[in-house]
Amino acid sequence: DGGITQSPKYLFRKEGQNVTLSCEQNLNHDAMYWYRQDPGQGLRLIYYSQIVNDFQKGDIAEGYSVSREKKESFPLTVTSAQKNPTAFYLCASTQSFNQPQHFGDGTRLSIL
Amino acid sequence: AQSVAQPEDQVKVAEGNPLTVKCTYSVSGNPYLFWYVQYPNRGLQFLLKYITGDNLVKGSYGFEAEFNKSQTSFHLKKPSALVSDSALYFCAVRDRGSTLGRLYFGRGTQLTVWP
Repeated sequence: DGGITQSPKYLFRKEGQNVTLSCEQNLNHDAMYWYRQDPGQGLRLIYYSQIVNDFQKGDIAEGYSVSREKKESFPLTVTSAQKNPTAFYLCASTQSFNQPQHFGDGTRLSIL
Repeated sequence: AQSVAQPEDQVKVAEGNPLTVKCTYSVSGNPYLFWYVQYPNRGLQFLLKYITGDNLVKGSYGFEAEFNKSQTSFHLKKPSALVSDSALYFCAVRDRGSTLGRLYFGRGTQLTVWP
């Protein structure tokens, strides 16, 4: 079955450490997205990519970085510059703008 | 600017009663509108969408939504709620005239259906 796989499901970050969250899709979708979810704040867009080797900052890109070297992969790095990284991170993809986004099951990141 | 408002953080209904989860939006052009549902520690699941055509849209699990252009609303409804409908619901909008592919989400409404 086609879908989006996020790994790991749970991740712990030490002080000053960069961590990378994986997002892989086998839906052959061009566009991919990273969201951060905090209780009571809905989904906030971190980065998105509409095509390979291109990506744009969302509303809360500071302290995060991404790459899009392959169509199926869109990893997110949470850098040490992100001082409050504890959240639930969701990856999504879509084929076209009038179609719904498909979501992975998320990675929950916590501080050690 | 594009935005979505879900005015109720929580909605509580008894099983068997109708439910409504409210959504209003603001876009500069014509909207694409979506509803999603999220269960604990899971990603969002697509419920239904309005792209064009009939203002009443039917979706998964018996849910429907009515697009009202004059009131810029897209309320989610179900005639008879189930306990299993208890979850977090998100409304989202995209301006169909925008070249950017991003969605704007509301803050979510927690639906609780009691037996």
